[in-house]
Amino acid sequence: GAVVSQHPSWVICKSGTSVKIECRSLDFQATTMFWYRQFPKQSLMLMATSNEGSKATYEQGVEKDKFLINHASLTLSTLTVTSAHPEDSSFYICSTYGRSSYEQYFGPGTRLTVT
Amino acid sequence: AQSVTQLGSHVSVSEGALVLLRCNYSSSVPPYLFWYVQYPNQGLQLLLKYTSAATLVKGINGFEAEFKKSETSFHLTKPSAHMSDAAEYFCAVTTGGTGRRALTFGSGTRLQVQP
Repeated sequence: GAVVSQHPSWVICKSGTSVKIECRSLDFQATTMFWYRQFPKQSLMLMATSNEGSKATYEQGVEKDKFLINHASLTLSTLTVTSAHPEDSSFYICSTYGRSSYEQYFGPGTRLTVT
Repeated sequence: AQSVTQLGSHVSVSEGALVLLRCNYSSSVPPYLFWYVQYPNQGLQLLLKYTSAATLVKGINGFEAEFKKSETSFHLTKPSAHMSDAAEYFCAVTTGGTGRRALTFGSGTRLQVQP
């Protein structure tokens, strides 16, 4: 199956700073990547859909100016949390489709803690 | 739009007992259905998927699920629970058509396995 990596796996930052999370597809080209957020003991909620070479599509209620997504290449999408606040503390997971239809592969996730 | 409902946020079984995790879906078009498992602080691992082929789907680690259109269900079962099965399980749905869409997740079911 496809392999998706995320970096960093965990990060602690101070309130007001920005954090960048990278999502890479290691063995195939990913034209579309998805970013999910998971609060403790909750399910995954889609934040945005990242398309290579174009603007991301954000879900309702997700601030596009706060969560900046860049998908500049077929193997890399980045999520930047700008001016982070404690309520942004969460587990961020990216995913993409492999070569077969409709099966998504997930990264291992990034745990963000904002103090 | 599609959605999934997982009945029971917590399920506890004894080691060796039958595991049954419930998932009901709602979709206006034929769905593709998935079960994922998540261990603490990790990403998601695909257990099995239904993509309009056989209605009884066998997955990894002895899990299987049956798609029942009349009941709009896709319950996950395993004949004999192991301690290593203790984790969070998510049912998810997407639909076909053009383009590859994100998954919509259920709220999750935490499985506890008692010795």
